[in-house]
Amino acid sequence: IAGITQAPTSQILAAGRRMTLRCTQDMRHNAMYWYRQDLGLGLRLIHYSNTAGTTGKGEVPDGYSVSRANTDDFPLTLASAVPSQTSVYFCASSDGTGGTEAFFGQGTRLTVV
Amino acid sequence: GQNIDQPTEMTATEGAIVQINCTYQTSGFNGLFWYQQHAGEAPTFLSYNVLDGLEEKGRFSSFLSRSKGYSYLLLKELQMKDSASYLCAVMDSNYQLIWGAGTKLIIKP
Repeated sequence: IAGITQAPTSQILAAGRRMTLRCTQDMRHNAMYWYRQDLGLGLRLIHYSNTAGTTGKGEVPDGYSVSRANTDDFPLTLASAVPSQTSVYFCASSDGTGGTEAFFGQGTRLTVV
Repeated sequence: GQNIDQPTEMTATEGAIVQINCTYQTSGFNGLFWYQQHAGEAPTFLSYNVLDGLEEKGRFSSFLSRSKGYSYLLLKELQMKDSASYLCAVMDSNYQLIWGAGTKLIIKP
């Protein structure tokens, strides 16, 4: 089934630890995005990639890094987790042109303790 | 700055009609999206407007006025399964989506 898959679905992480959230899509979409969603704040863009080999910073990039080695994969890394990074993380993809919707993964619920 | 405003929460009755408003101020405009998000799930696409007017899709309709920076989502014949959050998002001049905080819609029998 075509779509976008995230792993893990949930994680409890000790502060200071490194963590990579995985995201894979099989729709051959050019653009991919990482959002965090916190109560009352809506979706906030962390990083994005308009095409394989390129990445850009979103609204809240500090403490996060991404890579886009190929079209399908867009991992998000927390180098040293802090409690304020407790959130639900969504990966999304689109074909990157105006007017086309973004498709979302099922989300990763991350708790940093 | 860029801003999307929508009500935090609305309540409606099963079988009724509800209108969820969204106002926006963004740097450029390349369309407005509505998404539905059930609790604990991912957002799913509902509608897209880029020209002024009404787009109808079954029980759901979405309206856009670019001059007023305004959109609404109209849900008819409400069903209990429509209980969800509804997210308004605008695509700016860089083709990035700017998201509202979402409107939680509660449907009562």
